[in-house]
Amino acid sequence: QVQLVQSGAEVKKPGASVKVSCKASGYTFTGYYVHWVRQAPGQGLEWMGRIHPNSGGTNSAQRFQGRVTMTRDTSISTAYMELSRLRSDDTAVYYCAREVGVPARGLDVWGQGTTVTVSS
Amino acid sequence: DIQMTQSPSSLSASVRDRVTITCRASQTISSYLNWYQQKPGKAPKLLIYAASSLQSGVPSRFTGSGSGTDFTLTISSLQPEDFATYYCQQSYSTPRSFGQGTKLEIK
Repeated sequence: QVQLVQSGAEVKKPGASVKVSCKASGYTFTGYYVHWVRQAPGQGLEWMGRIHPNSGGTNSAQRFQGRVTMTRDTSISTAYMELSRLRSDDTAVYYCAREVGVPARGLDVWGQGTTVTVSS
Repeated sequence: DIQMTQSPSSLSASVRDRVTITCRASQTISSYLNWYQQKPGKAPKLLIYAASSLQSGVPSRFTGSGSGTDFTLTISSLQPEDFATYYCQQSYSTPRSFGQGTKLEIK
């Protein structure tokens, strides 16, 4: 079945970096954008950026530019999101999700989420 | 950037009630509007895409409407499993902004 499986929970100190992986299966990885969305405790959904696995092209939200790096390894159908210079307010659940359709028809498959805790 | 504003932020209703949630975009987004349902501790689930198209497997009591800047999600007869938080999201342009969410609670 179509699924995205993310890496496990992380605990990081302020100023460090975190890299979250998102492994796709059940579909052609290179055919769909992968988006990254985060959710701070008790808060709403925040879009971070996207990558097209075929070209490697990315777009990111301005507030993360300079801190977020999205990459992919097509040989293992895996997307990565690295966030650097972590702060306490980066504590959140990070999700990857597949965007279906051209034009876009929403994020139809989501990973299970990766909890990132930033604490000294 | 396009801002998405949902109302209300929270809503109390009873089983079998009909409820409507509104989402407004800060500029026209044609019909590039999606709705998600999220339950505590779970990833969001796509309910409606392109403003009014029902995602496969989603019950027909969920309907979406609107175009341009104003959109609605209607649940025709609330079921116990529908109590959750709902988000709208535009897919007209990047950044792909979300509304702030509407928490639907049992009265």
